[in-house]
Amino acid sequence: GNSVTQMEGPVTLSEEAFLTINCTYTATGYPSLFWYVQYPGEGLQLLLKATKADDKGSNKGFEATYRKETTSFHLEKGSVQVSDSAVYFCALSSSGAGSYQLTFGKGTKLSVIP
Amino acid sequence: KAGVTQTPRYLIKTRGQQVTLSCSPISGHRSVSWYQQTPGQGLQFLFEYFSETQRNKGNFPGRFSGRQFSNSRSEMNVSTLELGDSALYLCASSLGPSGETYEQYFGPGTRLTVT
Repeated sequence: GNSVTQMEGPVTLSEEAFLTINCTYTATGYPSLFWYVQYPGEGLQLLLKATKADDKGSNKGFEATYRKETTSFHLEKGSVQVSDSAVYFCALSSSGAGSYQLTFGKGTKLSVIP
Repeated sequence: KAGVTQTPRYLIKTRGQQVTLSCSPISGHRSVSWYQQTPGQGLQFLFEYFSETQRNKGNFPGRFSGRQFSNSRSEMNVSTLELGDSALYLCASSLGPSGETYEQYFGPGTRLTVT
């Protein structure tokens, strides 16, 4: 079955530090890959996505590249801000059965300190 | 355009009771999925509905059920509540499957506490 593994948190960084959150996946077929962010007390928001190999998703300074050879989709940001503090989820969607359910990683909590 | 709305936002129930949660998708979206989020298990897929039909179901017992109405609004029901059902229940809507990947937009969730 499909699965997503992302690095354990929590991650604590100083403002303007470089961020990497690792994500690897196992899936049949050609999944689409996503990063979602969850701010305290809120639902999930789509941060970025990539639908095929070598695609780079980007949004709000965050980037992730779909690497099929390493089955990875690592999230990066060059300079984090306090407002980036949240829980980040890597996810995949595989439409093999005509359904688009998302399989999520466990989430990585990021805290950015001034 | 209004986002996905879920009601109620918070709910406290007693073990053995049943509960119904509601989700209104974004206007024009025809697919609704439900997820359970707990600290131990993370986010787990419950089921997906499209055009009033359940298309897919996750690995949950039969106590968890759902339905979708003709206006795409969806409800999920949990019968004979157990303490372990305490969780944040998230609903997500998307345009609908037709051979392409549709983004899923999440609501704020319903926080269910079972005592």
